[in-house]
Amino acid sequence: ETGVTQTPRHLVMGMTNKKSLKCEQHLGHNAMYWYKQSAKKPLELMFVYSLEERVENNSVPSRFSPECPNSSHLFLHLHTLQPEDSALYLCASSQDPGQGGSPLHFGNGTRLTVT
Amino acid sequence: GQNIDQPTEMTATEGAIVQINCTYQTSGFNGLFWYQQHAGEAPTFLSYNVLDGLEEKGRFSSFLSRSKGYSYLLLKELQMKDSASYLCAVLDSNYQLIWGAGTKLIIKP
Repeated sequence: ETGVTQTPRHLVMGMTNKKSLKCEQHLGHNAMYWYKQSAKKPLELMFVYSLEERVENNSVPSRFSPECPNSSHLFLHLHTLQPEDSALYLCASSQDPGQGGSPLHFGNGTRLTVT
Repeated sequence: GQNIDQPTEMTATEGAIVQINCTYQTSGFNGLFWYQQHAGEAPTFLSYNVLDGLEEKGRFSSFLSRSKGYSYLLLKELQMKDSASYLCAVLDSNYQLIWGAGTKLIIKP
């Protein structure tokens, strides 16, 4: 299997639930990312991991908690979410986040609905 | 602040040519990317420009003018499968990607 794989594809959760999103990359990349995509808005960077260390946290609420156990796997743990957190959550990887020209490779995303 | 502007939606006819514009105001510049995203799917990389000029890749070409803060993506011989959103993103001086909101391209027969 190649590329970036995200599970689940769809998730519906209540505001009191706890769930986790999973991402796996088979490209040998050094960096992994979580993005939030809402309709008609630019992609919002949430977290960046480079060589398994978090290098970016763009003021994301603490109800989102990332975990990067190794360079191939990335998780986003969710708890006590709000309805406005409903969006498409995209995972991506790249060879080197500090190098120009290194494109992102995205997974198909998890469509999250918070009820 | 940093800003990327691109049209929200465009419509074109199968077989025709369409140009999707992107203007940017960022803190520094280390290159500009175009991505294609079909509905319900992952964005996929189309092109990267860091020097002025036109880069051609089959039916798709991307142009950059750094002095004008301007890029366009040119799609020729449009096919129905080109219906998608096209995302423009600029790498700023800190190697942070600044994204536009995307242009939804509708192709009509």
